[in-house]
Amino acid sequence: QKEVEQDPGPLSVPEGAIVSLNCTYSNSAFQYFMWYRQYSRKGPELLMYTYSSGNKEDGRFTAQVDKSSKYISLFIRDSQPSDSATYLCAMSSKYSGGGADGLTFGKGTHLIIQP
Amino acid sequence: AAGVIQSPRHLIKEKRETATLKCYPIPRHDTVYWYQQGPGQDPQFLISFYEKMQSDKGSIPDRFSAQQFSDYHSELNMSSLELGDSALYFCASSTDADEQYFGPGTRLTVT
Repeated sequence: QKEVEQDPGPLSVPEGAIVSLNCTYSNSAFQYFMWYRQYSRKGPELLMYTYSSGNKEDGRFTAQVDKSSKYISLFIRDSQPSDSATYLCAMSSKYSGGGADGLTFGKGTHLIIQP
Repeated sequence: AAGVIQSPRHLIKEKRETATLKCYPIPRHDTVYWYQQGPGQDPQFLISFYEKMQSDKGSIPDRFSAQQFSDYHSELNMSSLELGDSALYFCASSTDADEQYFGPGTRLTVT
């Protein structure tokens, strides 16, 4: 079983809908949680970064972390066709200062926003 | 804002050849990470460097080596290339904030 599980989709929703993406993980040492957006053959683009449990909002994006359930979510409000991409969750267990921990990624969810 | 720079963007090599990929981190970022992403796969962590010292090691083959230089740029050296090494190779950089910013990647094709 992978350390991080993510439904690969595709997930197809109409423009303007609220999108919910999520990941589960098994390693309780993970403390830093990220969401990346990746367009085909491009580098992952950092969308959200959260530490430990809680919510974080940035524009149309909201990230939620529930460490007790080992479950993280990304919500996209007022979805646009330009949001169509693969969304990758990623997590790590160590702080960068003095030690740089590589990220463990989910498989990515392919999201399609229909105009 | 300045981003991570990777070169070359595309590279074609034959089996058993060697390849060198370069990464220039965002200015004032002291940590560099290397990832490999196969077709339809998620990025797999290879290795990282903090202040020019190896910091963390992932699934990097023994045929690969890397280093970080005094100007913080990094190079990934790949020898005895195999067909299975064909992939996108990403470099990411960060500061103590732990937010990793990825470059555009180098597409390596081994024939």
